[in-house]
Amino acid sequence: QVQLQESGPGLVKPSETLSLTCTVSGGSIGYDFWSWIRQPPGKGLEWIGYIYYSGSSNYNPSLKSRVTISVDTSKNQFSLRLSSVTAADTAVYYCAKGPAMFDPWGQGTLVTVSS
Amino acid sequence: SSELTQDPAVSVALGQTVRITCQGDSLRSYYASWYQQKPGQAPLLVIYDNEIRPSGIPDRFSGSTSGNTASLTITGAQAEDEADYYCNSRDNSGFPNYVFGTGTKVTVL
Repeated sequence: QVQLQESGPGLVKPSETLSLTCTVSGGSIGYDFWSWIRQPPGKGLEWIGYIYYSGSSNYNPSLKSRVTISVDTSKNQFSLRLSSVTAADTAVYYCAKGPAMFDPWGQGTLVTVSS
Repeated sequence: SSELTQDPAVSVALGQTVRITCQGDSLRSYYASWYQQKPGQAPLLVIYDNEIRPSGIPDRFSGSTSGNTASLTITGAQAEDEADYYCNSRDNSGFPNYVFGTGTKVTVL
């Protein structure tokens, strides 16, 4: 069965760019949609955006100006870049297959924005 | 502000039934999905397309919808069902944007 694993720095400085990668194993990234979702500590879930294996994407309007999601089918990976981060971007970041129904999810990775 | 509204917390006696609701105008047009999240874990899909239960999810979990409200019902709640539950659907923008509900903490007494 498909499994997802997030990777990337756990600490990012304010105003810099957060970069994470999600590696898909146990299946192909092809012909499917893939999403990023985040959860600030002690708060609810927020959809960030999704990408189709072909490269077309869609983002949360509240983050659209700062977000880029890309896909590398040769590596079975997709990635998130979030620019100009502030403390408000501190969260556990999850990758998941979806949208419409997010399943499965990666285990999540905590990214802290701090100098 | 979130476009899908849930009660912050509900409690249920062991073995009894609890219903969690999710309200939003977009639910009149789009399917809802439901996620269970236990502390320190990633969310788990328990219901999709309003009422379909994925393989491996106990049949005590069921979903329904009426008008602008989607519901998740746990019939015969077990101690392991204590968790946060989130609904999800598209928003009403006309674009394929997705939004999560505010979340409901379920406590099993």
